[in-house]
Amino acid sequence: QKEVEQDPGPLSVPEGAIVSLNCTYSNSAFQYFMWYRQYSRKGPELLMYTYSSGNKEDGRFTAQVDKSSKYISLFIRDSQPSDSATYLCALNYGGATNKLIFGTGTLLAVQP
Amino acid sequence: DTGVSQDPRHKITKRGQNVTFRCDPISEHNRLYWYRQTLGQGPEFLTYFQNEAQLEKSRLLSDRFSAERPKGSFSTLEIQRTEQGDSAMYLCASSLAGTGAGNTIYFGEGSWLTVV
Repeated sequence: QKEVEQDPGPLSVPEGAIVSLNCTYSNSAFQYFMWYRQYSRKGPELLMYTYSSGNKEDGRFTAQVDKSSKYISLFIRDSQPSDSATYLCALNYGGATNKLIFGTGTLLAVQP
Repeated sequence: DTGVSQDPRHKITKRGQNVTFRCDPISEHNRLYWYRQTLGQGPEFLTYFQNEAQLEKSRLLSDRFSAERPKGSFSTLEIQRTEQGDSAMYLCASSLAGTGAGNTIYFGEGSWLTVV
């Protein structure tokens, strides 16, 4: 079983839609939860960083963590064509390494 | 822009040749990481340095791979006797030591390797 599971999509939505992206994980020892956005043939770019259960909002983006269910989500409101990218969840056990464990990524296409 | 810089961005090599990638981290970051990403997959951790010390290596890093960070600044990743299975994007990242929001990991644009 992979440590982090993420639906690879692709997910296609019309402009203005609310997008929900999700990951599940197996080890309750994960302490930090991140979402990265990756455009085609580019490096991942950090979008959101959370370390506790609950919601964190930044503009059109909301990250949600439910540690009891081992489930994390990223919501994008009023989606734009420029949001079309691969969205990667990344988890971190904390401790000395600060090593990230990534999901496979979900490819999102926002149609104008 | 003073982000993580990687060179070359693209490399095509013949099977059996050696290749070397260079990474220049964000200047104040003492941690440097290498990840590998294949098509349709998320990045996978390869190794990391704190200053010049290589502190952890993944089992993915076979003995054909070697990484160095000689003066605690830039790093190189060398792949010897390349195989077609080495074709991937090699990502470098950097951060401050420790964890938490102040120790966010920032990635470079990646170096694409194609082994033919």
